Amino acid sequence: DTAVSQTPKYLVTQMGNDKSIKCEQNLGHDTMYWYKQDSKKFLKIMFSYNNKELIINETVPNRFSPKSPDKAHLNLHINSLELGDSAVYFCASSHQRDTQYFGPGTRLTVL
Amino acid sequence: GENVEQHPSTLSVQEGDSAVIKCTYSDSASNYFPWYKQELGKRPQLIIDIRSNVGEKKDQRIAVTLNKTAKHFSLHITETQPEDSAVYFCAASGSYGKLTFGQGTILTVHP
Repeated sequence: DTAVSQTPKYLVTQMGNDKSIKCEQNLGHDTMYWYKQDSKKFLKIMFSYNNKELIINETVPNRFSPKSPDKAHLNLHINSLELGDSAVYFCASSHQRDTQYFGPGTRLTVL
Repeated sequence: GENVEQHPSTLSVQEGDSAVIKCTYSDSASNYFPWYKQELGKRPQLIIDIRSNVGEKKDQRIAVTLNKTAKHFSLHITETQPEDSAVYFCAASGSYGKLTFGQGTILTVHP
């Protein structure tokens, strides 16, 4: 009955590979987000979708492509992984611009 | 865009003391200010929030104050306990619910 869930929890991969992270929320929210938390713990927004429409697209390399098949899901696909992509990626959801609830995070390590 | 500055970066207190963390923001259009607590290896969790039409909000040992004119807001924790030890993040929200986070404060409460 986890409100916001992400898979996988850990992801270890080689440089140059392509990987995906999945997020699902069962809160009935209409807005979902992807955040990146770097090694210094700084949290920065990457993307946001509202009712499957992209509404926030920060300065992120185009190797990162979000996809929202429906309001309850927001996936993040990363092509040609680089060392600097190593971080914890958090999904979050909210009802419109209300309180955001975070998923457990996916720790990505690029070797 | 929005810029949020958070101080101090580390804070060490004795159990029972109070702790204060301060944030400033740059965008006068921001109207929602949440505080998140993140324990090691866990997700950020909302502990309290305040909207721009309110100057102060309290929830048991936690309080937040907002000064819109000066564009700063603060988190106050009274009677600190060892379990309050964590990283605390302030954030400011403007258009489309985009949260801009402060750099985080590592709070350590010594028994």
